[in-house]
Amino acid sequence: DIVMTQSPDSLAVSLGERATINCRSSQSVLHSFNSKNYLGWYQQKPGQPPKLLIYWASTRESGVPDRFSGSGSGAEFTLTISSLQAEDVAVYYCQQYYSSPFTFGPGTRVDIK
Amino acid sequence: QVQLVESGGGVVQPGRSLRLSCAASGFTFSDYGMHWVRQAPGKGLEWVAVMSNDGSNKYYADSVKGRFTISRDNSKNTLYLQMDSLRDEDTAVYYCAKGGGSSCYFYVNCWGQGTLVTVSS
Repeated sequence: DIVMTQSPDSLAVSLGERATINCRSSQSVLHSFNSKNYLGWYQQKPGQPPKLLIYWASTRESGVPDRFSGSGSGAEFTLTISSLQAEDVAVYYCQQYYSSPFTFGPGTRVDIK
Repeated sequence: QVQLVESGGGVVQPGRSLRLSCAASGFTFSDYGMHWVRQAPGKGLEWVAVMSNDGSNKYYADSVKGRFTISRDNSKNTLYLQMDSLRDEDTAVYYCAKGGGSSCYFYVNCWGQGTLVTVSS
């Protein structure tokens, strides 16, 4: 099974500042046949279901603000919120869909400093 | 717009069974793989199972393999999760979720509101 880890566990960032979340997979999730990284990022606010932010590691889902961006390849990935807004307070998860079981990372909580 | 509505949750004793349903609308259900994902109280997300659009492929988390069965009825636009031999640790909110494509190997791009399953004597 592919194990997903995230760092940090939590972070507090001032409004308008950058937030960076890291995700690592225990093996590469880059598929050689299509050169795609099978990695997604999700945002979950309290009391709500998760919401897809980023797929294929760097493709922003329709309607997601452009302050959210994903980068990385292979086994190391990053979600960046370029200018934190109050509505971005949430838990963020990465997930690999390269091989079953399609594991999630443990989550990173983002708060306002 | 895409809607996923789960039902069938509730309180059940350990060792008993429960079947969850997910009614889908707003998209061509038979074109997409579908997932179940759960979240224990105060915990993170745990992927549970997936089925491809035509039912030909399905996969399970190790924690539920042999006890849970995912299925779908494309004529009714409905996804199911049959949960047998339930354990305390299966207590969670269960989300029905739509995949981004026909196969199992896609991200999840839409989630239901979830249904709570509580396993307790």
